[in-house]
Amino acid sequence: DAKTTQPPSMDCAEGRAANLPCNHSTISGNEYVYWYRQIHSQGPQYIIHGLKNNETNEMASLIITEDRKSSTLILPHATLRDTAVYYCIVPVGDYGGSQGNLIFGKGTKLSVKP
Amino acid sequence: EAGVAQSPRYKIIEKRQSVAFWCNPISGHATLYWYQQILGQGPKLLIQFQNNGVVDDSQLPKDRFSAERLKGVDSTLKIQPAKLEDSAVYLCASSFSSGSYNEQFFGPGTRLTVL
Repeated sequence: DAKTTQPPSMDCAEGRAANLPCNHSTISGNEYVYWYRQIHSQGPQYIIHGLKNNETNEMASLIITEDRKSSTLILPHATLRDTAVYYCIVPVGDYGGSQGNLIFGKGTKLSVKP
Repeated sequence: EAGVAQSPRYKIIEKRQSVAFWCNPISGHATLYWYQQILGQGPKLLIQFQNNGVVDDSQLPKDRFSAERLKGVDSTLKIQPAKLEDSAVYLCASSFSSGSYNEQFFGPGTRLTVL
């Protein structure tokens, strides 16, 4: 079973920041948090991952709370093409990222509206 | 860089028939995964290969599903015989190496409908 909980759906206005929350209260100290997204009729796409520190790349930012029990994925300027299902994943059996498989839950369906 | 290729994109069969899906991973990727995604759910891992060896097939229904990765490159997933509940999208993914630290690249999937 997935080790994360996410809201089933969210809306965001185009051009605004989309903040997607994720709870992972049972995460262990050396387990990473991963985010993937899946646009309709496509395979999932990697977005970002992190352990303790906040991370940023060209797609998004990941904010992890100090106790690591929750995190937020931020899309700074959402576009219509960001409409997708977003998955927050803590891999099962992941020891510092060196092993462990992705366990997908149902994710959050983000709808970006004009 | 070419992505993960899958074929066919769509397949419709009747229950108790057989079906096979093909996957060509990104060149140089040692690890290959097959996932099943039922409508409204996230993908579920069926089997993971490292080169041509099976790393994890604990979720593969072995009475009807089989997979192989000869020569450590292309892979095929077979269902024989198919059941109605096998209707799903079958996704293939590859990564440079095993472990979640390695980004997985997914193909477009094969949508299977079993009537």
